[in-house]
Amino acid sequence: KAGVTQTPRYLIKTRGQQVTLSCSPISGHRSVSWYQQTPGQGLQFLFEYFSETQRNKGNFPGRFSGRQFSNSRSEMNVSTLELGDSALYLCASSLAPAIYEQYFGPGTRLTVT
Amino acid sequence: TQLLEQSPQFLSIQEGENLTVYCNSSSVFSSLQWYRQEPGEGPVLLVTVVTGGEVKKLKRLTFQFGDARKDSSLHITAAQPGDTGLYLCAGGGSARQLTFGSGTQLTVLP
Repeated sequence: KAGVTQTPRYLIKTRGQQVTLSCSPISGHRSVSWYQQTPGQGLQFLFEYFSETQRNKGNFPGRFSGRQFSNSRSEMNVSTLELGDSALYLCASSLAPAIYEQYFGPGTRLTVT
Repeated sequence: TQLLEQSPQFLSIQEGENLTVYCNSSSVFSSLQWYRQEPGEGPVLLVTVVTGGEVKKLKRLTFQFGDARKDSSLHITAAQPGDTGLYLCAGGGSARQLTFGSGTQLTVLP
């Protein structure tokens, strides 16, 4: 069974631009969660989607948004990028919401200059 | 807010040594997981413990969940260079989301 895939793997953007990251969950997994990982803050929860609905949201500004499609694939968008948004963005899938066993993708490394 | 503290933050040992990594909180968690992350990759789930006092063994790795479900430990016997990585604990609780610890960066030298 294929794992979680994320595209692109690497991205360089300029401050003020916006970016969209994509995640395809493991087949049969309907819940997708997004995390931001930085050296200073560690892994922080952004949001979780299930059945195209946002089920839970972390403590991030409204510039961070996401959506989920009917095939469970998910995208996250960051608008008006700031230097501090440079991070590894990880997507994880699970069978259902609040099922704590998460299966992570390799991440998208975003660099904001 | 549920917080998880891991110690030590960094650990460098020689191949063949034993080590223990700790994960502590003042909050009770319904489950506790351990992940290992290698450079350029996402975390990989190692184990989930759900019962206070539970002990799980995975080859040379032994995981324990505290009786009060507030802490956990990971013990590695006879560490190997392939064990090198960032070890993360994560708790599931009332927030209905995973709370991750800050991680322990383990380096096993050959």
